Amino acid sequence: EPEVTQTPSHQVTQMGQEVILRCVPISNHLYFYWYRQILGQKVEFLVSFYNNEISEKSEIFDDQFSVERPDGSNFTLKIRSTKLEDSAMYFCASSGQAVNTEAFFGQGTRLTVV
Amino acid sequence: AQSVTQPDIHITVSEGASLELRCNYSYGATPYLFWYVQSPGQGLQLLLKYFSGDTLVQGIKGFEAEFKRSQSSFNLRKPSVHWSDAAEYFCAVGENNQGGKLIFGQGTELSVKP
Repeated sequence: EPEVTQTPSHQVTQMGQEVILRCVPISNHLYFYWYRQILGQKVEFLVSFYNNEISEKSEIFDDQFSVERPDGSNFTLKIRSTKLEDSAMYFCASSGQAVNTEAFFGQGTRLTVV
Repeated sequence: AQSVTQPDIHITVSEGASLELRCNYSYGATPYLFWYVQSPGQGLQLLLKYFSGDTLVQGIKGFEAEFKRSQSSFNLRKPSVHWSDAAEYFCAVGENNQGGKLIFGQGTELSVKP
């Protein structure tokens, strides 16, 4: 069964450092998303991406964040200068063009900023 | 504003007992509703979804949910819980039927006692 793959599963970084979280969406999907879940809190939408551009972003997704689809398979989330409060589980998701479909989520990357 | 409420943070049930997890939503348009499950260290797995039609939907692992528009609810049920059902359960409302941006509830952690 096709799945969304995220790497790494756990990343520890120092405050102020740049971090890139990587995702390989399901191959024929066209819509891509990032969500985050701070420990003990709800899963929150960050950004959606379609046709090589951001289609929607939340107020959390400020100038420190960027997304990119550098090639035909990867979808990345970059945090330019990490803060302690960026520590969270980050989920990538993708969905196809069919109607009555759902988003498929990856296993998540746990980011710890120290 | 759109929101999803899961009133129960933590529920404990005995193995073999029935289960109902509550979910209420606030959404102006036609809601597209989902239940996801997250086992420890795992990603979000879709249990079931509602887009239209029959208000009682069947999902994987013996789960079902009923959409009640008059109560703005989408409660998840299972007639007989297994120990492997212990996990965190998230209700979500989507903006479209193509897996678009999801708004999640806080989650309900389910513990199963033998």
